[in-house]
Amino acid sequence: AQSVTQLGSHVSVSEGALVLLRCNYSSSVPPYLFWYVQYPNQGLQLLLKYTSAATLVKGINGFEAEFKKSETSFHLTKPSAHMSDAAEYFCAVSVVQGAQKLVFGQGTRLTINP
Amino acid sequence: KAGVTQTPRYLIKTRGQQVTLSCSPISGHRSVSWYQQTPGQGLQFLFEYFSETQRNKGNFPGRFSGRQFSNSRSEMNVSTLELGDSALYLCASSSRQGRSEAFFGQGTRLTVV
Repeated sequence: AQSVTQLGSHVSVSEGALVLLRCNYSSSVPPYLFWYVQYPNQGLQLLLKYTSAATLVKGINGFEAEFKKSETSFHLTKPSAHMSDAAEYFCAVSVVQGAQKLVFGQGTRLTINP
Repeated sequence: KAGVTQTPRYLIKTRGQQVTLSCSPISGHRSVSWYQQTPGQGLQFLFEYFSETQRNKGNFPGRFSGRQFSNSRSEMNVSTLELGDSALYLCASSSRQGRSEAFFGQGTRLTVV
């Protein structure tokens, strides 16, 4: 069965520092992977997706993620954090069952220190 | 293009009551899926509809049900509400079946008292 593990429920970085949010997946088939961001009292916004094309995926707001099959990882990075990046981030894997279903990690809350 | 619209945004219900939540997908999207988000369990898949047919269902009791109309709008219903049903309910739409990206609405915050 497909699953996602996000390492670190809470990450804190200084403004201007590198952001690194970790995601490891388990999948019996080539995975489709996604990162979503959630701001307080909002829904989920798609940051980027991996669908078996380029292993380095660029998303919105300066975020990118690299798919590493050997490490079963899909970590999210941003070179320089902004205060507006403070939010909760979810990694998800798409399950192939003839239907649209996402399995999410537990989320990582990102705090930006001024 | 308008995004996914969920109504209402907030609801307060009493234990034992039932509730209906509504979701209008992005125009042209035929797949609508529902998720429950709670602090303890995180984001959990409820069910997905495509062309008015339920394609998949998560591990929730039968009190949770849904349907999809011919215009792709979807509703979910929870009967005999319990305190533990308090959650943010998120609806997502996709342009097709299979492993395409899902676009989420703002959610409906349900509080059961």
